[in-house]
Amino acid sequence: KNQVEQSPQSLIILEGKNCTLQCNYTVSPFSNLRWYKQDTGRGPVSLTIMTFSENTKSNGRYTATLDADTKQSSLHITASQLSDSASYICVVRASREYGNKLVFGAGTILRVKS
Amino acid sequence: DGGITQSPKYLFRKEGQNVTLSCEQNLNHDAMYWYRQDPGQGLRLIYYSQIVNDFQKGDIAEGYSVSREKKESFPLTVTSAQKNPTAFYLCASSRSSGDYNEQFFGPGTRLTVL
Repeated sequence: KNQVEQSPQSLIILEGKNCTLQCNYTVSPFSNLRWYKQDTGRGPVSLTIMTFSENTKSNGRYTATLDADTKQSSLHITASQLSDSASYICVVRASREYGNKLVFGAGTILRVKS
Repeated sequence: DGGITQSPKYLFRKEGQNVTLSCEQNLNHDAMYWYRQDPGQGLRLIYYSQIVNDFQKGDIAEGYSVSREKKESFPLTVTSAQKNPTAFYLCASSRSSGDYNEQFFGPGTRLTVL
């Protein structure tokens, strides 16, 4: 069964600190992986997309990594800000020959405290 | 402003009633989607439409119905047959259903059954 597992479920950090969120998936064959940020009561917004051949991609203070061999991805947030408080969702897309299906993780809830 | 709008933001329904959630986009996207989000779970696909006048069931279509009479609009009806309709409903659109096309999400509608 295609699955996406995220850890931790929730995380509290102090403003200015770094953190890393994990995503393990079993979706195969794999087309691409996105990280979304979802503020409370809002729709998700894409942060990064990574394809099979990419290992690292940055978007400001967000850096995503991908190891397609071990089927693991991480999202590193540097110098956290209060506005980073949100749910971060890992989404994996299966290849076209397997229906192009999106599989969503349950998300990691991040709270940044001052 | 370009984007996706959903209305209403909050909706309360009595058991046995049908309700319709609105989703409109002015991004000129061909594909539109409806997802359901429950606490601790990943988003689950209810219905999707790749083109006007065509739509397909997702993973959890039972108790829901949709229409796609206009490119801009993809309303979702939650019928009385849906056993547990209380949830956060997200509409999304993408340029097409291709592998790398980002899905853009609306702000969501929170439905509560009283």
